[in-house]
Amino acid sequence: EVQLVESGGGLVQPGGSLRLSCAASGFPFSSYSMNWVRQAPGKGLEWVSYISSTSSNTIYYADSVKGRFTISRDNAKNSLYLQMSSLTAEDTAVYYCARRGMTTFDYWGQGTLVTVSS
Amino acid sequence: EIVMTQSPATLSVSPGESATLSCRASQSVSSNLAWYQQKPGQAPRVLIYGASTRATGIPARFSGSGSGTEFTLTISSLQSEDFAVYYCQQYNNWPPWTFGQGTKVEIK
Repeated sequence: EVQLVESGGGLVQPGGSLRLSCAASGFPFSSYSMNWVRQAPGKGLEWVSYISSTSSNTIYYADSVKGRFTISRDNAKNSLYLQMSSLTAEDTAVYYCARRGMTTFDYWGQGTLVTVSS
Repeated sequence: EIVMTQSPATLSVSPGESATLSCRASQSVSSNLAWYQQKPGQAPRVLIYGASTRATGIPARFSGSGSGTEFTLTISSLQSEDFAVYYCQQYNNWPPWTFGQGTKVEIK
């Protein structure tokens, strides 16, 4: 069974940093590209970042997070990460990790809530 | 960036009736369009990909159609578990992958 479990969310002050993790199991993690998608309270879905499989040589970011967020993965640990810095209130959201299948984001974790507030 | 626009924002439907949700892309996305369902407090789950192919385990009452810029998700004979928010997403031109703003299907 495919499982994606996010962790690392919490309350952080504006300007602060946070590192999210996503533990994957039930599939060959290194063979799949992965994404982070976020959802602000009461709002829709916003794609945040992408990292390719295996050698992690392709990375993309949404313009809204470029220069502040860094995606990475450790295939030996079956884990995906999102390092977030210079956080603002607009970054408050539930952050989901999502596997990219042949076409769509076919499996999602349950999400971890990041709240940026003083 | 391709902008996805969904309508209506909210759809009130009685159980057993059908619901038709629309999604429009700002430019052609061919058939590279997915539909997701999200229930309160849960992660999205994919229903349809390739505009019309049901994902594994998705009931036949969910059907998708369209290509280019106009797409439709039809839910026939709505069940209680179908009341949720539905998002379309294009994966033709990326990054970014873009979602519509969602359609909430509520009980009438």
